Amino acid sequence: ETGVTQTPRHLVMGMTNKKSLKCEQHLGHNAMYWYKQSAKKPLELMFVYNFKEQTENNSVPSRFSPECPNSSHLFLHLHTLQPEDSALYLCASSQLTSGGTEQFFGPGTRLTVL
Amino acid sequence: GENVEQHPSTLSVQEGDSAVIKCTYSDSASNYFPWYKQELGKGPQLIIDIRSNVGEKKDQRIAVTLNKTAKHFSLHITETQPEDSAVYFCAGGTGTASKLTFGTGTRLQVTL
Repeated sequence: ETGVTQTPRHLVMGMTNKKSLKCEQHLGHNAMYWYKQSAKKPLELMFVYNFKEQTENNSVPSRFSPECPNSSHLFLHLHTLQPEDSALYLCASSQLTSGGTEQFFGPGTRLTVL
Repeated sequence: GENVEQHPSTLSVQEGDSAVIKCTYSDSASNYFPWYKQELGKGPQLIIDIRSNVGEKKDQRIAVTLNKTAKHFSLHITETQPEDSAVYFCAGGTGTASKLTFGTGTRLQVTL
């Protein structure tokens, strides 16, 4: 619908598992983002990629590892997560200009860490 | 860094009434203020935005006002309908707006 797709939509994993979240944008944008959305908290920006280069890392623990192989794809690799990492993980993309533009969000991946 | 506060956290209105959601921000350098609507099972979607060189913007039943001196901006929805029920987020950003700071969200319930 928005041109940003995320897979899987739901993921349950144990604390010792390794998994990856995938995001793809079909909008020709040059920037991509990972956000964490927890109940009763603001959306938390995790990572920003601008033309495949990481430009923002908001003090995210190393158990979250992003990868941006090209401007259309973004991954979030997960390993040895904690139960408090359970949340909705949202991917977004935008076309960066000097005036600021809309960020288009995907539907999110609902992650549960057991 | 930027801090955005949003009120109220929940809002219930009758169909046809107006709804107002307010946000304040801390960084005077912020110049881009979008509002997003998030429906159940979906990601946030932009419904309206405003830049610091404008005091008010309107799009059909939705309007946003910005007071740069007081550092606050508001979302106004008139003639509310059941499909307006959702969670609404305000945000503030600067420059290219690659870094938006979001409010905590307002759950709007429009009752019949």
